[in-house]
Amino acid sequence: TQLLEQSPQFLSIQEGENLTVYCNSSSVFSSLQWYRQEPGEGPVLLVTVVTGGEVKKLKRLTFQFGDARKDSSLHITAAQPGDTGLYLCAGAGPNQFYFGTGTSLTVIP
Amino acid sequence: EAQVTQNPRYLITVTGKKLTVTCSQNMNHEYMSWYRQDPGLGLRQIYYSMNVEVTDKGDVPEGYKVSRKEKRNFPLILESPSPNQTSLYFCASSFSSGHEQFFGPGTRLTVL
Repeated sequence: TQLLEQSPQFLSIQEGENLTVYCNSSSVFSSLQWYRQEPGEGPVLLVTVVTGGEVKKLKRLTFQFGDARKDSSLHITAAQPGDTGLYLCAGAGPNQFYFGTGTSLTVIP
Repeated sequence: EAQVTQNPRYLITVTGKKLTVTCSQNMNHEYMSWYRQDPGLGLRQIYYSMNVEVTDKGDVPEGYKVSRKEKRNFPLILESPSPNQTSLYFCASSFSSGHEQFFGPGTRLTVL
């Protein structure tokens, strides 16, 4: 059972375009994390959101946690080739982490 | 340098031959876990450990064992590997559950 569904699964865009990745669940999480993974490496944390409705900005990346703490989105403004990678959301339960299915982003120069 | 190390990085083995993948962290983290990553399925948690001598099943524990005798080490054991355990495995550690997880570089396992 996949608790977290991400969409889209694949995304290929031109440099300079904007994009949004969604992470949806029917479960409530105490916090939600976004990771980025490059080929041949482990995921690396981008941000953690904790409060329902919270918005965090990390340069050109904007993260939002849904009011009910069940869903989240990642918006990238003016995408660059360096943003290429696999983006994963992860919900924190009482003792476990639940990862989303992942969104593979390719930014074409 | 703060890090999580895994060994081996690559392993090809045959069905039924017991193997161990080691994981070690130098950050004094209490929480450690193992994941497998398969295309289209994301990362799925196999086992996790809240502290020394405390381990619990994750979402896909069948066919795996773990131990946590020391805080820094959390080996993953496959007693009798099968082809459906061919996957990319990651070890991770964090201060506690819910905090940022630090991942190892991954172990690519192929079971023939």
